[in-house]
Amino acid sequence: GDSVTQMEGPVTLSEEAFLTINCTYTATGYPSLFWYVQYPGEGLQLLLKATKADDKGSNKGFEATYRKETTSFHLEKGSVQVSDSAVYFCALVRGSQGNLIFGKGTKLSVKP
Amino acid sequence: DGGITQSPKYLFRKEGQNVTLSCEQNLNHDAMYWYRQDPGQGLRLIYYSQIVNDFQKGDIAEGYSVSREKKESFPLTVTSAQKNPTAFYLCASTIQGANTGELFFGEGSRLTVL
Repeated sequence: GDSVTQMEGPVTLSEEAFLTINCTYTATGYPSLFWYVQYPGEGLQLLLKATKADDKGSNKGFEATYRKETTSFHLEKGSVQVSDSAVYFCALVRGSQGNLIFGKGTKLSVKP
Repeated sequence: DGGITQSPKYLFRKEGQNVTLSCEQNLNHDAMYWYRQDPGQGLRLIYYSQIVNDFQKGDIAEGYSVSREKKESFPLTVTSAQKNPTAFYLCASTIQGANTGELFFGEGSRLTVL
C-alpha cells in the first residue's frame, strides 16, 4: 500500500543553517504531496504542497520539489530561524476521499 | 474566526471508562477526520466522514466510535475496548470532494489513561 518515509530526527541546527529533511514515498500513480508543520502544543498546519511531478511547493522560505524519478519530496530551507523549531510531517493523499497518509514526523530544533 | 475547536484539551480517564472527545468546526466543511498521534509514529487515521449521517473506518478504528449528526460536529468516543488509548487525538476537516489533501486541524486533545 501507499506509504511515506521520512528521515528520523531529531534534527538540531544553529540559526541560519541550511535545512534538509528527506521524504520518499511509495504510491500507485502520482498523488499530491504535502508538508505539514506542528508547532509545540498545537495541531498541524499545511506548510506547502505539490500536485504533480516537477512541481515546486514553497512557503515561508521552505521549498520542496516533487521528483517522480526518485519518488522524493525533500523539504529545504536556506536559513532556519529559532521560530522554525517544530515537527515536520511529509504526507500524500490517498484515493478519492482526500485521506492523508503521514510520515512519522521529524522534529527540528533550532538553537540561537 | 473560522476554525476547528477540540475539547477538552487534556483528559484523564480510568481504565474501563468510555470518554468522548468533542470536535466542532465552523468552516462549513463537509468532510471531517479523526487522527491519533503517538510519539515516533506519525498520525494514523481512526475514522472519517464525508457527509452528515455517514462515516467510514480508517486504519485503526477498533475500540473507537463516532457519530455525525450535524455537519459541524464529529465527536469521537474512546471505548473501554481500546487497549492503549493514551495518545494525542487530532480532528481535521476539509471541503468534501476536493481531494486536495488540504486539511485544517484542531489543536488536539491529549488523553491519558490512569
